[in-house]
Amino acid sequence: EAQVTQNPRYLITVTGKKLTVTCSQNMNHEYMSWYRQDPGLGLRQIYYSMNVEVTDKGDVPEGYKVSRKEKRNFPLILESPSPNQTSLYFCASSLSRQAYGYTFGSGTRLTVV
Amino acid sequence: QQQVKQSPQSLIVQKGGISIINCAYENTAFDYFPWYQQFPGKGPALLIAIRPDVSEKKEGRFTISFNKSAKQFSLHIMDSQPGDSATYFCAASSGPETSGSRLTFGEGTQLTVNP
Repeated sequence: EAQVTQNPRYLITVTGKKLTVTCSQNMNHEYMSWYRQDPGLGLRQIYYSMNVEVTDKGDVPEGYKVSRKEKRNFPLILESPSPNQTSLYFCASSLSRQAYGYTFGSGTRLTVV
Repeated sequence: QQQVKQSPQSLIVQKGGISIINCAYENTAFDYFPWYQQFPGKGPALLIAIRPDVSEKKEGRFTISFNKSAKQFSLHIMDSQPGDSATYFCAASSGPETSGSRLTFGEGTQLTVNP
């Protein structure tokens, strides 16, 4: 089944403890992206990647890192999480370099206390 | 700065009625306007999309109306059903092929269709 898989689905952590949210797609998509969803703000892009070793900042990149060493994987790293990073996170991928027809993962709900 | 503004924030419609969600954008370089549907506990899923060279696109009960001069587009759900109850996001993107393209989303509309 074609899909984007995120792990974990739920995570509660403490301020300052480094964490990684993994994202993997099995559709050979070039384009991958991370979004955070907050009530009243919609989905805001954190980082995106057009291909292996090519990444760029989205609208809200502060406090986040990403890497794209393999085409299928695009992990999101929070080196020192803070409570304002409590949110619902989505990974998405697209076949072409242009962001048409995203396939989204099921989300990761992160709580930083 | 929110480049895509969506309204209303929430909408309640009776079964069989018409649901209308509106979006307005600022960036005239946007060239692709999709709508995504999100059910609780799930990621958004592409519902329907339009390009600015047409004024309307229909797929089943879902229709996008596009007004380029007003920089507005809307989603119409005809004969709304309880199963349509979800959060709907409009979005817009632009950008040349070589530099990639980013989707900018609206704030979302929580639609409830009462039986």
